[in-house]
Amino acid sequence: NAGVTQTPKFQVLKTGQSMTLQCAQDMNHEYMSWYRQDPGMGLRLIHYSVGAGITDQGEVPNGYNVSRSTTEDFPLRLLSAAPSQTSVYFCASSYGRLQPQHFGDGTRLSIL
Amino acid sequence: AQSVTQLGSHVSVSEGALVLLRCNYSSSVPPYLFWYVQYPNQGLQLLLKYTTGATLVKGINGFEAEFKKSETSFHLTKPSAHMSDAAEYFCAVSSSSGGSNYKLTFGKGTLLTVNP
Repeated sequence: NAGVTQTPKFQVLKTGQSMTLQCAQDMNHEYMSWYRQDPGMGLRLIHYSVGAGITDQGEVPNGYNVSRSTTEDFPLRLLSAAPSQTSVYFCASSYGRLQPQHFGDGTRLSIL
Repeated sequence: AQSVTQLGSHVSVSEGALVLLRCNYSSSVPPYLFWYVQYPNQGLQLLLKYTTGATLVKGINGFEAEFKKSETSFHLTKPSAHMSDAAEYFCAVSSSSGGSNYKLTFGKGTLLTVNP
């Protein structure tokens, strides 16, 4: 049982480049979310989805884009990378809106 | 709006000592409360959760937490710390104002160090 799988695990980008962080879950969860984790800041919600075709903004959505074409996949796109987006990104999924979330192992992203 | 405050960004205990990690929350609707643990270079894992019913909840690895509505608290405890408990711990609150709107808000985390 793979759970939540994030790729890549590490990435270095130059300012202005774009890229997509991949997230896939095999638990048939309706709810999926993207968080960023920065030292001393906890986890902050970027975007979330309550089902295929439905997405919404979280606390820090600027500079990021998401789509949800299938239940399994929830990619996060950085449109034009900035040094302030250097962070660890976590994808999570859950059965329902108030249920515990299952986290991936994270993508460590550095932007130079 | 909901929020979570974890008192103490770093807690240090001796092996075998009581672990107490503090969490206070604010929520305008009845909350669901969670504690997660994060080991180095890993994602978060659920330790325990409170939804409704019994206010003392037991989780994995000997941890437990008590929901105290009057104090808006959900402190995490373990009677005897083990070296393997060294990790970062996050308290989180989730509530829904209806429809598809829901948010899970995390505290800033408490790093637990266990000394031999």
